[in-house]
Amino acid sequence: SSELTQDPAVSVALGQTVRITCQGDGLRNFYANWYQQKPGQAPALVIYGKNNRPSGIPERFSGSSSGNTASLTITGAQAEDEADYYCNSRDSSGDHLDVLFGGGTKLTVL
Amino acid sequence: QVTLRESGPALVKPTQTLTLTCTFSGFSLSTSGMCVSWIRQPPGKALEWLVLIDWDDDKYYSTSLKTRLTISKDTSKNQVVLTMTNMDPVDTATYYCARIPPNSSGYHFDYWGQGTLVTVSS
Repeated sequence: SSELTQDPAVSVALGQTVRITCQGDGLRNFYANWYQQKPGQAPALVIYGKNNRPSGIPERFSGSSSGNTASLTITGAQAEDEADYYCNSRDSSGDHLDVLFGGGTKLTVL
Repeated sequence: QVTLRESGPALVKPTQTLTLTCTFSGFSLSTSGMCVSWIRQPPGKALEWLVLIDWDDDKYYSTSLKTRLTISKDTSKNQVVLTMTNMDPVDTATYYCARIPPNSSGYHFDYWGQGTLVTVSS
């Protein structure tokens, strides 16, 4: 089955823009979804589908996709955005359906 | 509002079978397109999808763990039950249940339980 690959760590200066990427062959067919996880907490959905934000997620979070790469962009990063970010999608190659998660990206806000 | 809550033992011995229950409210698993899934996360590591059950009782298992997992639902009780056989210390993790809403082409998890830490040790 396919995999989703993320950079292990990314940093951004307070108030600047940061892009977190997720690569995988399956992303050519399905959108990635993005989750924010803070220490000791369950993951929380921040972007799903083409570029949809659940209620309560700030507008500074946005999603995009090109080819086999999906991106989560935080425009004007805030201190509270420091967290682990995971992408997920589905993979239906062959005769088996799989749900995939990336390895996660630790975002540090400087 | 939608809530999910995991319950089960905090400690299991190697080779034992783990049984976890996800009790949810605010939605029905008999609604067309609705799914509930189990996901785990070893301490300090990434999320790993385990299994999914949908409104029509179709079940999809992780390729790597399918021989050890069984998922079932009790729609009347709003519960989904996961069993994992032959537990090993590497299965030590926080186990989450999460919902996939209808019409989710990319299988996004919009609501999660708080997770339950399961430690496998003799």
